[in-house]
Formats: sequence, structure tokens, C-alpha cells
Amino acid sequence: GAGVSQTPSNKVTEKGKYVELRCDPISGHTALYWYRQSLGQGPEFLIYFQGTGAADDSGLPNDRFFAVRPEGSVSTLKIQRTERGDSAVYLCASSLQGLHGYTFGSGTRLTVV
Amino acid sequence: AQKITQTQPGMFVQEKEAVTLDCTYDTSDPSYGLFWYKQPSSGEMIFLIYQGSYDQQNATEGRYSLNFQKARKSANLVISASQLGDSAMYFCAMREMLLVGGAGGTSYGKLTFGQGTILTVHP
Repeated sequence: GAGVSQTPSNKVTEKGKYVELRCDPISGHTALYWYRQSLGQGPEFLIYFQGTGAADDSGLPNDRFFAVRPEGSVSTLKIQRTERGDSAVYLCASSLQGLHGYTFGSGTRLTVV
Repeated sequence: AQKITQTQPGMFVQEKEAVTLDCTYDTSDPSYGLFWYKQPSSGEMIFLIYQGSYDQQNATEGRYSLNFQKARKSANLVISASQLGDSAMYFCAMREMLLVGGAGGTSYGKLTFGQGTILTVHP
């Protein structure tokens, strides 16, 4: 596609539920990144994929968070047993190895009530 | 570990004036990249300008220029001739370099962001 697509754009869920957030990167972009942005703060790194593998998952806050990219394109961020503190905008970005540009999606606003 | 510091929570500027947004960074890597992004109230992250650590000249992109002072580890963004549409949150970010693969190629790792500066342009 022309840009990075994230779905859904908004998600409201109850505390304790499971959620999946989807990121569809720019076609051909080998690198994919997930960030979490709380209100008024800068984005915080969660996980980075190079192809299908997680090259760096040091930003995942705990084992309730997991992400996959099985075919090296679309990625899904999965959050189990959601907590109110998980409420944030989850941003996805993709880039092409060898170039320095990152393209961000519009984000998924997750609200845990 | 990489760290980015933006010490100005908010800045105000008159339309058509220039404004400087501060950014300092800390890294032990000799090779790195510095970015500025604009985030309007709509939420999208808009790339503004990039500076590589080995670039000899300061980066410029239209009304945006980056005042790169390597010894001081600062990468301030200068916006000339401010416009009302420049009102937004601005983030400074740093990218680490990674070595990948047996051939020793490089890839670009995560961006580390600062806390952001809210810029308000007054008419």
C-alpha cells in the first residue's frame, strides 16, 4: 500500500480482556517497529522486526505483550489480560534496510476501561 | 544506552519569526542518526529532517534546519518564518546502527525519542 496501515484506529476493551492490534507496513519494507505513546509523551519502543524475526524485543514491558510477523509483512501486537495502564496510542512504523526513512502509521488508540 | 533530552516542554513564537527547539543526546556509538518529527493534534508522525553523525554539513529541508554540534551532543531544530500550521508537538529522536547478517551489512534499529516540545505559533 501507499502508507503504513494500522487497524483498528480505536479500540475500547474491558480490563482483563485480550486485544490484537494490526500493522500493515509499506510493501517491501523489511523492518517493522512497534511503539507505545502515552498522552503528552514521546513514543516508547516496544519491538523491532527484521523480516519475520524479532531483532529487538527489549521494549516489551512484560510477558502480557507479544508480537508476531509470520510472513515478514503484516504484524500483530497482542496484549493479554489488559490493564488500565495499557491505555495509549500504539504506533507502527516500517523502513527499508539501507535507507534511513521511517514511515509511521496513524496509530491505534487503545482504551482499557 | 541512547538518551534524548528535550528540555522545553512548550515554546511560543510569533508568526513569521524563527524558533529554535532544543535537543541534546547521549550515546557511546560513533555512528548514529538524528531525526526530528512533527506530530500535529491529528496524531500522525511527520518526518522533518535527518542528520547523520558523520555528515559534515548541517542538514536543511526548506524552512527546517538542524544545528548539529557534535562535541556538545546537541541537535537543535530551527524553524524559520514560522507559520500557524507549525503549531504541533515536535520530537527529536536518535537511531542506533545495527550490524546484521554474515556479510556484515548494516540495518537501522529502533528510534529513541525525547519527551517532545509543544510549539504554539501566535498570529
